[in-house]
Amino acid sequence: KAGVTQTPRYLIKTRGQQVTLSCSPISGHRSVSWYQQTPGQGLQFLFEYFSETQRNKGNFPGRFSGRQFSNSRSEMNVSTLELGDSALYLCASSFVAFGQGGYEQYFGPGTRLTVT
Amino acid sequence: DQQVKQNSPSLSVQEGRISILNCDYTNSMFDYFLWYKKYPAEGPTFLISISSIKDKNEDGRFTVFLNKSAKHLSLHIVPSQPGDSAVYFCAARVSGSARQLTFGSGTQLTVLP
Repeated sequence: KAGVTQTPRYLIKTRGQQVTLSCSPISGHRSVSWYQQTPGQGLQFLFEYFSETQRNKGNFPGRFSGRQFSNSRSEMNVSTLELGDSALYLCASSFVAFGQGGYEQYFGPGTRLTVT
Repeated sequence: DQQVKQNSPSLSVQEGRISILNCDYTNSMFDYFLWYKKYPAEGPTFLISISSIKDKNEDGRFTVFLNKSAKHLSLHIVPSQPGDSAVYFCAARVSGSARQLTFGSGTQLTVLP
């Protein structure tokens, strides 16, 4: 099976712009979670989507949003970019059976976002 | 407030010996624990997990131990191999939080040949 894919792998944006990152989960995985990794804060949970619905959201401002499509692919959007948004954004997918479990998450390689 | 702590930023071990990576947590509502390893420029790779109803889980060279009374988790790698050199993260899930994971800060393991 192909792993989790994320596009683009690298991105440079300017403060105030917005950005959209894309994630394709492992085939058959319907849960997609997004994490932000920075040197100072480590890996932090952004949000999770399952069956096109946001199930959980981390402690991030409303500038961070996401969505999931019917084929389980997911996008996250960051509006009005700030310098502090520079980070590695990781997407992870998991297999959820009958709406339960799926705690083992499989990560993509990440998108490195640099805000200048 | 760091709910999952990995107090050792780095660990060096000789090839063939045992590597023991430790993790402490503070939230009693954690009910599932996982270990990931991460190579540079790659996403974390899932290694092994354990439910809070167990105290040990093995998978090949990897064994995870959970001590709920001490709120302590450890990963044993036996025997250690140079390819095991990576950053290791422990993670935990809060009961009822769907699939939100809280990660520790990571431990850099270096296995010396």
